[in-house]
Amino acid sequence: RKEVEQDPGPFNVPEGATVAFNCTYSNSASQSFFWYRQDCRKEPKLLMSVYSSGNEDGRFTAQLNRASQYISLLIRDSKLSDSATYLCVVSSGNTGKLIFGQGTTLQVKP
Amino acid sequence: GAVVSQHPSRVICKSGTSVKIECRSLDFQATTMFWYRQFPKQSLMLMATSNEGSKATYEQGVEKDKFLINHASLTLSTLTVTSAHPEDSSFYICSAGDRDRYGYTFGSGTRLTVV
Repeated sequence: RKEVEQDPGPFNVPEGATVAFNCTYSNSASQSFFWYRQDCRKEPKLLMSVYSSGNEDGRFTAQLNRASQYISLLIRDSKLSDSATYLCVVSSGNTGKLIFGQGTTLQVKP
Repeated sequence: GAVVSQHPSRVICKSGTSVKIECRSLDFQATTMFWYRQFPKQSLMLMATSNEGSKATYEQGVEKDKFLINHASLTLSTLTVTSAHPEDSSFYICSAGDRDRYGYTFGSGTRLTVV
């Protein structure tokens, strides 16, 4: 079983739609959680950290359920520029190592 | 904000040669850097953790004699792919930073093609 699992998609949605991505992780000792965005052939860029209380940044909302070892990302009012691959990332213990999910591809269409 | 510079961005080399990739933290000191590899349509896979002034820690299945990592200063880590083969063709990317303060910053990546 992969340490971090995501549905690879692709998710094809129209502009303005709301879309949700899910992610599960296997290591219950994981301490930090992130969503990264990666555009084609580019490096990943941090989208947002994920906290147990849930957090929101504009159109993006991230949630963490430690009991179920589950992370989610909600994007409201999708824009064409949101088209990218979204990577669920978990930090392993005190080493600081980041474990990446396979990524979920989002394609927003006009 | 924290900036990590990675060079070269793209390299094509002949099979059997060695390639060095540099990763520099420009405005902060990185005691730890991480090296990842990403094959097409796959996730980033951690190869090794580079610690300033000490030996790198390699992930299972990564050959330490093939992928040489040097982290001689707080701002520079290098990855050398020795005797490269076509199967080593991939996107190599470094990451550095203080997880408590800056979070992790990625270099822009190096696309290696071995012919």
